[in-house]
Amino acid sequence: KAGVTQTPRYLIKTRGQQVTLSCSPISGHRSVSWYQQTPGQGLQFLFEYFSETQRNKGNFPGRFSGRQFSNSRSEMNVSTLELGDSALYLCASSFRGDGTEAFFGQGTRLTVV
Amino acid sequence: AQSVTQLDSQVPVFEEAPVELRCNYSSSVSVYLFWYVQYPNQGLQLLLKYLSGSTLVKGINGFEAEFNKSQTSFHLRKPSVHISDTAEYFCAVIEMDSSYKLIFGSGTRLLVRP
Repeated sequence: KAGVTQTPRYLIKTRGQQVTLSCSPISGHRSVSWYQQTPGQGLQFLFEYFSETQRNKGNFPGRFSGRQFSNSRSEMNVSTLELGDSALYLCASSFRGDGTEAFFGQGTRLTVV
Repeated sequence: AQSVTQLDSQVPVFEEAPVELRCNYSSSVSVYLFWYVQYPNQGLQLLLKYLSGSTLVKGINGFEAEFNKSQTSFHLRKPSVHISDTAEYFCAVIEMDSSYKLIFGSGTRLLVRP
């Protein structure tokens, strides 16, 4: 069974640009969550989707948005990039949707210059 | 507000020695508890979890953890570490309020020396 796939693995963007990251969950998993990991703030929850519905959102500005498609694949978008958005963005999927069995992808390393 | 505290940012230990990584949490509701490991340039891998039942839980790679409700702790232990255990370890909780989100501690870097 394939794991959680995040694309791209590495990305370099310029301040002010926007970026879209993709996450393909494990087959059959309907819940997808996103986390931002930085050296200063650690791992922080961005949002969670279940069957195309956003059920929870973390404390991030409106520049951060996401969506989930009918095949459970998810994308997150960051508009008007700032230097502080440089981070490892991790996606996790789960079957039950209660977060107790989350499988993480390898992440997308975003660098904003 | 909920929080997870990992008391040690780095724990150096010699190979084959025992190790304990400490984790405390605070929450106004009941929680599920987890330990994840992250190797360089990788995502997070679940080591073990406590949902209910026996307070001593065993995970992969010989790790175990004990849930202590009165002390709100969930410390991770391994009786004999290997060089390959060198990694970052994260303690996390999910509050049983249907929030569906993992709340992570700041991480502990385990450095195993030969």
